[in-house]
Amino acid sequence: AQSVTQLDSHVSVSEGTPVLLRCNYSSSYSPSLFWYVQHPNKGLQLLLKYTSAATLVKGINGFEAEFKKSETSFHLTKPSAHMSDAAEYFCVVSEGGGYNKLIFGAGTRLAVHP
Amino acid sequence: GAVVSQHPSRVICKSGTSVKIECRSLDFQATTMFWYRQFPKQSLMLMATSNEGSKATYEQGVEKDKFLINHASLTLSTLTVTSAHPEDSSFYICSASSGAGFAEAFFGQGTRLTVV
Repeated sequence: AQSVTQLDSHVSVSEGTPVLLRCNYSSSYSPSLFWYVQHPNKGLQLLLKYTSAATLVKGINGFEAEFKKSETSFHLTKPSAHMSDAAEYFCVVSEGGGYNKLIFGAGTRLAVHP
Repeated sequence: GAVVSQHPSRVICKSGTSVKIECRSLDFQATTMFWYRQFPKQSLMLMATSNEGSKATYEQGVEKDKFLINHASLTLSTLTVTSAHPEDSSFYICSASSGAGFAEAFFGQGTRLTVV
């Protein structure tokens, strides 16, 4: 069975500093991996996805993630945090291919301070 | 991205009653819809997958007689929580995909169910 582990439940950064949200996955084959963001009282929004193409994936709002097979990691980064980035972030793996049977990590709450 | 609308956003019901939650794809045809549940401070757990015109496929441990899912059209799926109890209180979120799950699945804004 596939799974994801988000290594930090909370991350706090200052505005303008880099963001790193860590995710490790477990999969018996080449996985499809995603990062979603959830703002309060809003639905989940897809930030980016990896589907066995380029290992460095660029997403929306300046976020990117690098797929490292040797480390089974898919960490999310952003060079400079903005106040509007404060939200809950989920690392997700697809167990059924595509968007079928998405397995969500526990989530990382990102706080951004002035 | 495409828009998925979930209704209601919040509902409070009495124990023993049933509640229906709607999930609509507003600008695309959703061949596949997914229903998730999110407990406080926890992650989303897939409850079931429904394909238009056929019976839903439930994940292990999800009671299909308690959580009735109907996907009668390409733009609407409903989740009915039957004989609700306080332990059913949760955040329920749907997502919809136009390509049998292989096209991007767009999420609704969720429904906060409180059973009193």
